[in-house]
Amino acid sequence: SAVISQKPSRDICQRGTSLTIQCQVDSQVTMMFWYRQQPGQSLTLIATANQGSEATYESGFVIDKFPISRPNLTFSTLTVSNMSPEDSSIYLCSVASGRNEQFFGPGTRLTVL
Amino acid sequence: KQEVTQIPAALSVPEGENLVLNCSFTDSAIYNLQWFRQDPGKGLTSLLLIQSSQREQTSGRLNASLDKSSGRSTLYIAASQPGDSATYLCAVGLTGTYKYIFGTGTRLKVLA
Repeated sequence: SAVISQKPSRDICQRGTSLTIQCQVDSQVTMMFWYRQQPGQSLTLIATANQGSEATYESGFVIDKFPISRPNLTFSTLTVSNMSPEDSSIYLCSVASGRNEQFFGPGTRLTVL
Repeated sequence: KQEVTQIPAALSVPEGENLVLNCSFTDSAIYNLQWFRQDPGKGLTSLLLIQSSQREQTSGRLNASLDKSSGRSTLYIAASQPGDSATYLCAVGLTGTYKYIFGTGTRLKVLA
């Protein structure tokens, strides 16, 4: 299994600002994923991040709002841009093992005022 | 489009009971299915992974079964304990991708 850490663990931000969330994995992985979990809801995939290429975004999510970097095989960042209260969620990164078992980080709890 | 539903949405049981959580999916062409546990405000912990060719997986007091043809999976928890209280999520892995579609979750409370 992979050990995944995220920073920050939580933050309270003002509307109109941006927050960058970091995800660090203890081993090299090809694919990393970013999910959003809105209050009381299940997880929704935002995008898939491969090293050396542009992230692939799911329907309803755009790069201008959620830019993603993947500079190497152990690290990725997700930025939530021009935030509004509707962006208040838990943001989670995950990785897939060789047999497509997914492992998740502890999440970043974001509150936008 | 794959949709994943979990029933019941919430469950409260006395300690020691055996219980079953249900997960159903609309498209049987899945790659695998994974059960997770999520504690309040936390990330997800992987419990069991079932490949599409398997019928069940066991880990300790947990047993997960998969019936692809009927689009169902169950998570059986034996001799429940207060520490089992959490939200349980099932996620279906889509064939040909690394994407997962998550269910709506079952919020379990085990009373001491």
